[in-house]
Amino acid sequence: SYEVTQPPSVSVSPGQTASISCSGDKLGNKYVYWYQQKPGQSPVLVIYEDNKRPSGIPERFSGSNSGNTATLTISGTQAMDEADYYCQAWDSSTYVVFGGGTKLTVL
Amino acid sequence: EVQLVESGGVVVQPGGSLRLSCSASGFTFDDYAMHWVRQAPGKGLEWVSLISWDGGSTYYADSVKGRFTISRDNSRNSLYLQMNSLRAEDTALYYCAKDPSRHHYGSGTYYKNWGQGTLVTVSS
Repeated sequence: SYEVTQPPSVSVSPGQTASISCSGDKLGNKYVYWYQQKPGQSPVLVIYEDNKRPSGIPERFSGSNSGNTATLTISGTQAMDEADYYCQAWDSSTYVVFGGGTKLTVL
Repeated sequence: EVQLVESGGVVVQPGGSLRLSCSASGFTFDDYAMHWVRQAPGKGLEWVSLISWDGGSTYYADSVKGRFTISRDNSRNSLYLQMNSLRAEDTALYYCAKDPSRHHYGSGTYYKNWGQGTLVTVSS
């Protein structure tokens, strides 16, 4: 079965750039999606098709995907960005695959 | 506006059964594949099941295959998840979610719309 792997936690200082990785075999050949989830809330899509932002998502959120790794980048990180982040892809045999999630802490 | 409202979550004993429902509005329900995604307390997101727009194709995660059955009633704009032989590890918040593209699922599958979820607790 196909799997994608995220670091459990990432820390960043306010105003700095946070990068969250998502790794999987030939992941660059698949579309990757990113979700933000704050405590007690449903997930919110922040990046689709590797690098596109849904309406209403701030420009500081960006994405990339190449080789075996996709990356969610948050530029000028704000305290409100502290949340869990999940990557997601589709595999023809495993279907929808989520990463284990990364807890972003803004120190 | 797309709205997804899940219901049916309760406390159930191990080995028991339960049916979850999801009421959909704000879009043409029978044009879109639908999914169930779950999240155990304090854990990450786990995809559970997918059903095509016409109900003709269904897919399951290995962890629930043979125990859960996804179905839909397009005349009622409703999605269901029949859960049998429940285990403690099935305890989770269950979300229904809509595929973004009409008459398609696959590499373009992702979730722009989520409900609030319904909590299933499997415990004696």
